[in-house]
Amino acid sequence: NAGVTQTPKFQVLKTGQSMTLQCAQDMNHNSMYWYRQDPGMGLRLIYYSASEGTTDKGEVPNGYNVSRLNKREFSLRLESAAPSQTSVYFCASSEADRTSYEQYFGPGTRLTVT
Amino acid sequence: TQLLEQSPQFLSIQEGENLTVYCNSSSVFSSLQWYRQEPGEGPVLLVTVVTGGEVKKLKRLTFQFGDARKDSSLHITAAQPGDTGLYLCAGARGQNFVFGPGTRLSVLP
Repeated sequence: NAGVTQTPKFQVLKTGQSMTLQCAQDMNHNSMYWYRQDPGMGLRLIYYSASEGTTDKGEVPNGYNVSRLNKREFSLRLESAAPSQTSVYFCASSEADRTSYEQYFGPGTRLTVT
Repeated sequence: TQLLEQSPQFLSIQEGENLTVYCNSSSVFSSLQWYRQEPGEGPVLLVTVVTGGEVKKLKRLTFQFGDARKDSSLHITAAQPGDTGLYLCAGARGQNFVFGPGTRLSVLP
């Protein structure tokens, strides 16, 4: 099992460019999440998907869109990148939407917007 | 304003020393998790505590959930260089978790 995989690992964008971050999990988990991690801020939830076909906003959704393509895949799209979106992005999955369940994280995508 | 505060922000100690890091909030959480994150990787779950006053041990790591379920501590006995990393606490809020900013621990050989 690969667990949670993310692509790309690194990306540099210019302001205004768009891109999609890909995430896939092979653990048959129902719930998937996108976080961003900034120095001194911890992990902040951008969007989550409690099950295939559903998505909900998290703490910091502005400037992002998501697609739960199927049970395995959950993508994050930046339509018009801004320097404030420079961050490390983590995808995670969990067995259900119960908060006592462990979240499994991918290795992250380091994004720089110039 | 952070919903969850962690202290200290940075900690550098010698191998063999003991240490305690803290996770505090003014909010009550139904459960709280501790994660360890190494450079270039995603966080990995260490423990979940659910009951106020609960104490869990994981080898040299001892986790305690406060009686009021607003705070938690992580105590490491005889720290080793392999304990180096960013320690994150996360409190359950609705269907999701809110993360603290982390304590960055460095254990020197």
